[in-house]
This record gives sequence, structure tokens and C-alpha cells, in this order.
Amino acid sequence: TQLLEQSPQFLSIQEGENLTVYCNSSSVFSSLQWYRQEPGEGPVLLVTVVTGGEVKKLKRLTFQFGDARKDSSLHITAAQPGDTGLYLCAGNQAGTALIFGKGTTLSVSS
Amino acid sequence: NAGVTQTPKFQVLKTGQSMTLQCAQDMNHEYMSWYRQDPGMGLRLIHYSVGAGITDQGEVPNGYNVSRSTTEDFPLRLLSAAPSQTSVYFCASSYSQSSFTGELFFGEGSRLTVL
Repeated sequence: TQLLEQSPQFLSIQEGENLTVYCNSSSVFSSLQWYRQEPGEGPVLLVTVVTGGEVKKLKRLTFQFGDARKDSSLHITAAQPGDTGLYLCAGNQAGTALIFGKGTTLSVSS
Repeated sequence: NAGVTQTPKFQVLKTGQSMTLQCAQDMNHEYMSWYRQDPGMGLRLIHYSVGAGITDQGEVPNGYNVSRSTTEDFPLRLLSAAPSQTSVYFCASSYSQSSFTGELFFGEGSRLTVL
């Protein structure tokens, strides 16, 4: 059973477009993290959200944690080719280790 | 800054062979873990450790052993390699998992092929 469902699995867009990636679960999480992974490298943390309803911004990236702490979204404004990569959400439940969703592969073409 | 170092980066094994993937971190992190990454499957937790001498199983522990004799090192052993263990393996560490908000620092990965 996959606790964290990410959608869409693949996304191919043109430079300048906006996009949203979703991370959903039926379980409550203590915190949710978003990582970005480039080919041949390990994932790198983008953000951690811990409070229900929390919104964090990182330049053109906006992250939101659902009020019930069961879901999260990543919105990219005016995507650029440098945003290309695999985006992974990961969640902590109290007393357990971090688990990851299957990821969203984003391709931004110029 | 070395961070998390994994060796080897690439390895080809025959079915039934054993090997050890090495992982070392120089950040004095208490928490270390091993994940495998397969196409369309995301990252799945194999084993993890919250400190020297303490290890526990993750989602997919079968066929793998770990030990944590020092804070710095967390080797992953494949006892008898199978084609199903063909994957990219990532080691990750964190200062502490007790607050459940710790950032995971990943190595560059070890690509293993089992023939």
C-alpha cells in the first residue's frame, strides 16, 4: 500500500507555463517534505511543512500543507528548463521513518 | 565538504554473489538509512539506524543486512544477490529523526546490476 500518492506521474510543459504537483494520503502526517532529484544525483530537500494550512514560498515555487495534514501541493510559476527533474514528496508519521511518494517527473522545454 | 559518500558507484554482480555497499558521512549525524529507487516506484526504505548499535527494518528489508558499529559508517550487505535487487541504492543521513522534521542528506547513489 502506497501511503503517499503523487500526481501526475509525468508532466511535460513549455517554458513559462505554470504547474501544480499533488501529494495525497488518507493518513495524517507530522510533517511533509519536498525533494528534487536530478539525473545521477541524490534527492535534495526543497522545503519542510509542519503546520496544517502552512504555505511556504521558495522563489517561483509555492508549497502548501493541507489543513488536515494529509496532503500537500507544489506549484511552480513560470517554469524554466532548470526546473526539470524528479519531484518527490516525503512524509513522517509519529514514530516512523520518512516514506516517499513515487515522484513526479517534470520536463520543461524551451 | 564530503557529506554522504557511497561506494562503489557502479557494480555488476552475478546471481548468488554477495557484496557490501559502503556509506560514510562526516556530519556526525545520528540517523542513517538506505533506500532503493526503481523506475516508477519512488524511494523505498530498506533499513535505517537511529544511532550506533541500533538498526531497524524498513519497507523492503528482505535480502539485505546492515550494521552500525560507528556513527560515521552504515554498510548495506547483500547476502545472495538476485536479479530483483537490480536497482539504484541511496544512503541518506540526518542529524536526528526525533523531531520528524530533519532534512535527509543523500549520497550520489550506487547503481547495482544483478545478472
